[in-house]
Amino acid sequence: DAMVIQNPRYQVTQFGKPVTLSCSQTLNHNVMYWYQQKSSQAPKLLFHYYDKDFNNEADTPDNFQSRRPNTSFCFLDIRSPGLGDAAMYLCATSNHPRELSEQYFGPGTRLTVT
Amino acid sequence: AQSVTQLDSQVPVFEEAPVELRCNYSSSVSVYLFWYVQYPNQGLQLLLKYLSGSTLVKGINGFEAEFNKSQTSFHLRKPSVHISDTAEYFCAVSALSGGSYIPTFGRGTSLIVHP
Repeated sequence: DAMVIQNPRYQVTQFGKPVTLSCSQTLNHNVMYWYQQKSSQAPKLLFHYYDKDFNNEADTPDNFQSRRPNTSFCFLDIRSPGLGDAAMYLCATSNHPRELSEQYFGPGTRLTVT
Repeated sequence: AQSVTQLDSQVPVFEEAPVELRCNYSSSVSVYLFWYVQYPNQGLQLLLKYLSGSTLVKGINGFEAEFNKSQTSFHLRKPSVHISDTAEYFCAVSALSGGSYIPTFGRGTSLIVHP
């Protein structure tokens, strides 16, 4: 089945230690998104890629970076995680950003910062 | 810019009872509306969407929603809930901004179905 895969499902990192979360998709969608979701809150868009074009949300901290080496993979790098970065990180895909399209979500990676 | 308000953070209901989860939005342009469901430790899954046409939209798992432009609402309903409907429900709105459709999510409503 075509799907969005996130690895790992649970990640524990230390305060200030860089961490990378990965997302892959078999849908061949050209848009990939990263969201941060804290407990009892709405998913917050961090950035998205339209093909190789990177679009950063204005309020996304510089501590968060992303890479998309090809259509299938997208990575979220947190350079120096703080305690406030502990959250669920959701990856999503869609077909076009300029044509309305629903999003397909992965299961998420729950990040714990110790 | 658009925004979404889900007034109820938690809705408890007994099994086989009807339920309505409320969603209101604000936007200065035409919008497209979605409801997503999130089960524990899983990603979001699309329940239904309104793009155009009939204001009553039917989705998966027996859910439906009605778009009301004058009241800027898109409430989700189910006539008879099941234990398995216990989950977090998110309303989302997409509007054209700078050439792209970027969704904005509400903070979610936790539906708790009791036996």
